[in-house]
Amino acid sequence: DVKVTQSSRYLVKRTGEKVFLECVQDMDHENMFWYRQDPGLGLRLIYFSYDVKMKEKGDIPEGYSVSREKKERFSLILESASTNQTSMYLCASSTPQSGGNEKLFFGSGTQLSVL
Amino acid sequence: QKEVEQDPGPLSVPEGAIVSLNCTYSNSAFQYFMWYRQYSRKGPELLMYTYSSGNKEDGRFTAQVDKSSKYISLFIRDSQPSDSATYLCAWASGNTPLVFGKGTRLSVIA
Repeated sequence: DVKVTQSSRYLVKRTGEKVFLECVQDMDHENMFWYRQDPGLGLRLIYFSYDVKMKEKGDIPEGYSVSREKKERFSLILESASTNQTSMYLCASSTPQSGGNEKLFFGSGTQLSVL
Repeated sequence: QKEVEQDPGPLSVPEGAIVSLNCTYSNSAFQYFMWYRQYSRKGPELLMYTYSSGNKEDGRFTAQVDKSSKYISLFIRDSQPSDSATYLCAWASGNTPLVFGKGTRLSVIA
């Protein structure tokens, strides 16, 4: 089974801190994604990557950056955490399919609270 | 107009009921249609996907696509308490990331 592992299940940080969320997948997937999920707003794409050292902005990249130095690892960075970044963060991976029929595999999520 | 519209619920039904979950979309470029299921405190997992208009069955689950009306549905027969989860519809087109609906929270009461 594909496994997408997020380093922390719960995280509490203070405003202004630099926060690293780590994600590792074990199925040699090319594509990796970071979403945040908020009540009433659903899943929103922050950043994604189709290859090592590549990154693309999603719908809400402001206040975030990412790093993909190795194929299996995709990190989300909050440069200076703010309270409006309190959310559930979900990492996902997939193998590209022609026509866009890719199936995403998600991690269990990191619930981040910024105080 | 939002690309994907999904009623957030919550939807509460008795055990054994037939459940109908629905989404509408506006982008004609969407080609693949998916349903993800998300249990509480877990990440979403792929439940079903389909390409063409019509019905696709998998056990108690049926995915229905109507491309002419830009409407997709998920039917759950003989619903069980273990079906209690949030269901997200999703669309794919070309090489762009999936577009998700906001999810419908379903509770099946024993």
